Amino acid sequence: AQSVTQPDIHITVSEGASLELRCNYSYGATPYLFWYVQSPGQGLQLLLKYFSGDTLVQGIKGFEAEFKRSQSSFNLRKPSVHWSDAAEYFCAVAPYNFNKFYFGSGTKLNVKP
Amino acid sequence: DTEVTQTPKHLVMGMTNKKSLKCEQHMGHRAMYWYKQKAKKPPELMFVYSYEKLSINESVPSRFSPECPNSSLLNLHLHALQPEDSALYLCASSQDRTGPIGEQYFGPGTRLTVT
Repeated sequence: AQSVTQPDIHITVSEGASLELRCNYSYGATPYLFWYVQSPGQGLQLLLKYFSGDTLVQGIKGFEAEFKRSQSSFNLRKPSVHWSDAAEYFCAVAPYNFNKFYFGSGTKLNVKP
Repeated sequence: DTEVTQTPKHLVMGMTNKKSLKCEQHMGHRAMYWYKQKAKKPPELMFVYSYEKLSINESVPSRFSPECPNSSLLNLHLHALQPEDSALYLCASSQDRTGPIGEQYFGPGTRLTVT
C-alpha cells in the first residue's frame, strides 16, 4: 500500500539554526513529491515539489528538499530558520497517474527565540 | 491571480440544517478538490472534480454533496450533518489532474462546527 511517513511529530529549533524535516514514502514507482506548510487556522501553501530531474529541489522561503530514491526519502531543509517558519509541515505524495493524493501526518515546527 | 477563495470563513450549523460551502478560483484550473481536516490531522481528500465532472469520491457519506457549476466554482452542500463532521474544509485547485500536476493551490478553508 502507498503511504507517506513523517517520523517527527514535533520539532523545536532555535532561530538561526538549521532545519531538516524527514519524509519517507512507500510506493512502487517514483511518485510526485511535495512539501506544504500550514500556519494555524490557514490553508496549505506549496513550498516545493519534485517530479523528475535534479534531485535537489529549491522552493520558496529558502527551503530545499532532496529526493533520495535509495532511501525513499524526500527531506526538507533550511539552513537558517526564522521565527516566522513556525508552522505545520506536510509531506505529500501522488502517484504518476494522480489518482490519489496522500498527506503525511505532519510535523509541527516550533522556533525558539 | 493565484488565489483560491472560500466562503464562509466560519459556519455553525445544527444537525437538521442545510448549508453550502463555496469555493472559487480564477486561475483557469480545471481540477478542483474538497478536503476535510480535523484538528491536528492532515487533510483528507473527499472529492475531485476534473473538467467539471466528479472523478473521485473517496467514499464520502451522502450528507456531503459536491457540485461544480462551472470551471471556476465548487460547492459543497451539507445536510443532516453529525457533530463529528466538525472540521476545517479546504478547497484546492490545480491545472489538470490527468497530467504531471499536483501543484494544488489551497484556499484558507471554512471552519465548520456542527451542534
